[in-house]
Amino acid sequence: GNSVTQMEGPVTLSEEAFLTINCTYTATGYPSLFWYVQYPGEGLQLLLKATKADDKGSNKGFEATYRKETTSFHLEKGSVQVSDSAVYFCALTGVAGGTSYGKLTFGQGTILTVHP
Amino acid sequence: DTGVSQDPRHKITKRGQNVTFRCDPISEHNRLYWYRQTLGQGPEFLTYFQNEAQLEKSRLLSDRFSAERPKGSFSTLEIQRTEQGDSAMYLCASSISGSSSYNEQFFGPGTRLTVL
Repeated sequence: GNSVTQMEGPVTLSEEAFLTINCTYTATGYPSLFWYVQYPGEGLQLLLKATKADDKGSNKGFEATYRKETTSFHLEKGSVQVSDSAVYFCALTGVAGGTSYGKLTFGQGTILTVHP
Repeated sequence: DTGVSQDPRHKITKRGQNVTFRCDPISEHNRLYWYRQTLGQGPEFLTYFQNEAQLEKSRLLSDRFSAERPKGSFSTLEIQRTEQGDSAMYLCASSISGSSSYNEQFFGPGTRLTVL
């Protein structure tokens, strides 16, 4: 079945530091890949997505590239802010017509804390 | 435009009692998903509906769990004879099904269940 593995956290950084959160996956075919973010006290929000190999998703200064050869979708940001403190989840869903289409499979989440 | 809403936000119950949660999706969304999230883990898929039809149920969903979406709008998730292991955050999400390779899911704030 499908699975997603994220780097273990928590991650603590100083403001303006570079961020990488690793994500690798196991899936049949060509899944769509996502990063979701959960800010304190709020629901899950889609941060960015990529639907085919070599696509780069980007939003709010965050980027992730769909790497089929390494089955990875690492999240990066060049300069983090205190407001980026949240829990980040990597996720995938199967392609249309497949058995896992629609339902999301999530990693375990990575807690990011950014200090001033 | 209102997002996905869930009610109640918190529920405390005693072991053996029945509980029911409600989810109201975004009005034009025909797909509705239920996930369960335990502390320190990512959400796990439970079940989903397209309109009023329940298309898939996870093996995680024991016979004590039942979900309905009677008119293809709101959905209810009932847990009978609750156990302490049912304590978790129950998340609802909705989306529009389409011909694209993915359909973005919008999440509600969740219902936190505590079974004493």
